[in-house]
Amino acid sequence: KNEVEQSPQNLTAQEGEFITINCSYSVGISALHWLQQHPGGGIVSLFMLSSGKKKHGRLIATINIQEKHSSLHITASHPRDSAVYICAVCRPGGGADGLTFGKGTHLIIQP
Amino acid sequence: DTEVTQTPKHLVMGMTNKKSLKCEQHMGHRAMYWYKQKAKKPPELMFVYSYEKLSINESVPSRFSPECPNSSLLNLHLHALQPEDSALYLCASSQVAEKYQETQYFGPGTRLLVL
Repeated sequence: KNEVEQSPQNLTAQEGEFITINCSYSVGISALHWLQQHPGGGIVSLFMLSSGKKKHGRLIATINIQEKHSSLHITASHPRDSAVYICAVCRPGGGADGLTFGKGTHLIIQP
Repeated sequence: DTEVTQTPKHLVMGMTNKKSLKCEQHMGHRAMYWYKQKAKKPPELMFVYSYEKLSINESVPSRFSPECPNSSLLNLHLHALQPEDSALYLCASSQVAEKYQETQYFGPGTRLLVL
């Protein structure tokens, strides 16, 4: 079993829909990252969470440490949101252990 | 400046070639990372440099040789690679490696094809 599990693996939705991507992890962490990767490679860090909730524009990320679960929400989705969204956790040792990545959720928003 | 730059963007090399990938950041970060990402797979950690010293080598074959000549620059020297080494190579940096809750900033990656 992977240490970081994401669902769904693939998601296709219509423009304007509310999107939820889930991440569950089975190891102790110091922080959880949500990353966005567009075709062509570059990864952008969206959020880093250790508790509670963060909001940036149309993106909202939440984390429940007790349940070892995090969600990424996109409100009023737009075709430019189409990308792979990756959940990654940072071990208690910090960045020295690197990040452990989920397999990603491939999101397609259709006009 | 919150940018991590990587060169080249694309690289095609034969199995007998020697080439280098370059990563640069000017954010004053003292931790830099190399990740390898195969198609449709998550990135995998290869190396971590902390204060210009190699702190983690995740059992990477010796045909990959990292180098950190200064705090802003990270190289990955490639020699005698195999076709299965074809992948996207991502560089990242963070303020320090030991402290938790550090955001990692990623470069755009170098897409490597080994023929």
